[in-house]
Amino acid sequence: DQQVKQNSPSLSVQEGRISILNCDYTNSMFDYFLWYKKYPAEGPTFLISISSIKDKNEDGRFTVFLNKSAKHLSLHIVPSQPGDSAVYFCAASDSRSSNTGKLIFGQGTTLQVKP
Amino acid sequence: NAGVMQNPRHLVRRRGQEARLRCSPMKGHSHVYWYRQLPEEGLKFMVYLQKENIIDESGMPKERFSAEFPKEGPSILRIQQVVRGDSAAYFCASSPPASGITGELFFGEGSRLTVL
Repeated sequence: DQQVKQNSPSLSVQEGRISILNCDYTNSMFDYFLWYKKYPAEGPTFLISISSIKDKNEDGRFTVFLNKSAKHLSLHIVPSQPGDSAVYFCAASDSRSSNTGKLIFGQGTTLQVKP
Repeated sequence: NAGVMQNPRHLVRRRGQEARLRCSPMKGHSHVYWYRQLPEEGLKFMVYLQKENIIDESGMPKERFSAEFPKEGPSILRIQQVVRGDSAAYFCASSPPASGITGELFFGEGSRLTVL
């Protein structure tokens, strides 16, 4: 039962253009969503998050949008840079749980930004 | 560098042997989590520990796997009688005591277990 899904295994964009990574979830109890970035042979690093009380959160070149009715979120990177090339994981949690570190991860999307 | 430290980075075991993976959380962090990433998959939660306590082990396989976080020393993930299906990257993460609702975790670089 895949509660968090990233249906695009890979995405390729040109440097300077916008990258849009998508994520869908099924569990309506999720109320906190995070994006992690992972380079090969390294651990995931936190990128940006959003609470379900918001529909948008922006941090520099990174913006996350949340559509609760569609149970869908997306990460926008603009402008994309070659250093953004990595695997991006969407994750979700239920903040009312006693274990807020129990994140449910999607399968990941490999982003390649071409110079 | 006070990041999450995991060792060994790479571990090769033959079927039936034991694997021990160690994790030292970030300074000031008292919550430790173990995740597993199988090839071509996302990370899957295994266990959540605080010092001397297992808080949530709902993601741990029922047999052969155990975890501890003693009062002194690193957290240990132990896999007994390893099988080929245990080959994966095992990531440890930590968070401070009052991480609130954010759930933001700080991950180590992972330990890659290969079972021959």
